[in-house]
Amino acid sequence: DVKVTQSSRYLVKRTGEKVFLECVQDMDHENMFWYRQDPGLGLRLIYFSYDVKMKEKGDIPEGYSVSREKKERFSLILESASTNQTSMYLCASSYGPGDHGEKLFFGSGTQLSVL
Amino acid sequence: DAKTTQPNSMESNEEEPVHLPCNHSTISGTDYIHWYRQLPSQGPEYVIHGLTSNVNNRMASLAIAEDRKSSTLILHRATLRDAAVYYCILRDAYNTDKLIFGTGTRLQVFP
Repeated sequence: DVKVTQSSRYLVKRTGEKVFLECVQDMDHENMFWYRQDPGLGLRLIYFSYDVKMKEKGDIPEGYSVSREKKERFSLILESASTNQTSMYLCASSYGPGDHGEKLFFGSGTQLSVL
Repeated sequence: DAKTTQPNSMESNEEEPVHLPCNHSTISGTDYIHWYRQLPSQGPEYVIHGLTSNVNNRMASLAIAEDRKSSTLILHRATLRDAAVYYCILRDAYNTDKLIFGTGTRLQVFP
């Protein structure tokens, strides 16, 4: 089975801290995604990546950056955490371009609280 | 991006069929219809997808209207483990590989 692993299930940080959320997939997927999920707003796409060192902005990239130095790892970075970034963060991966029916595989999520 | 409309919540009894509707009146010819579900405290998981024809797999069936402006996810016999939020999503085959999620339908299943 495909496994997408997020490094932390729960995380508590202080305002202004630099925060790293790590995601690793074990199926050699080319595409990786970061979403955030908030009550009443559903899942919103922050950033995604088609390949190593490539990144694309999603719908809400402000306040975030990403890093993809290796194919299996996609990191979400909050340069200076703020309270409005308190949320559930979900990482996902998929095989790659060309297969238009491809599935996304999600991790279990990281619940980040910024105090 | 084309949008989908789903009811906020639905209820079912165990062992009964469940029909979860989705409207997508602005769907384009290249949009695939995807369904995901999210169990409590988990990330979303893929359920089924289709383009024009009805689809079946071990989890569910997908019925697509002839004009493709709506679709229905069918759970043939609901179980307590099917209680989840179900998302209907359109995926543009020629745009990018990203999926745009809405707020979904929360399905409650009663014993």
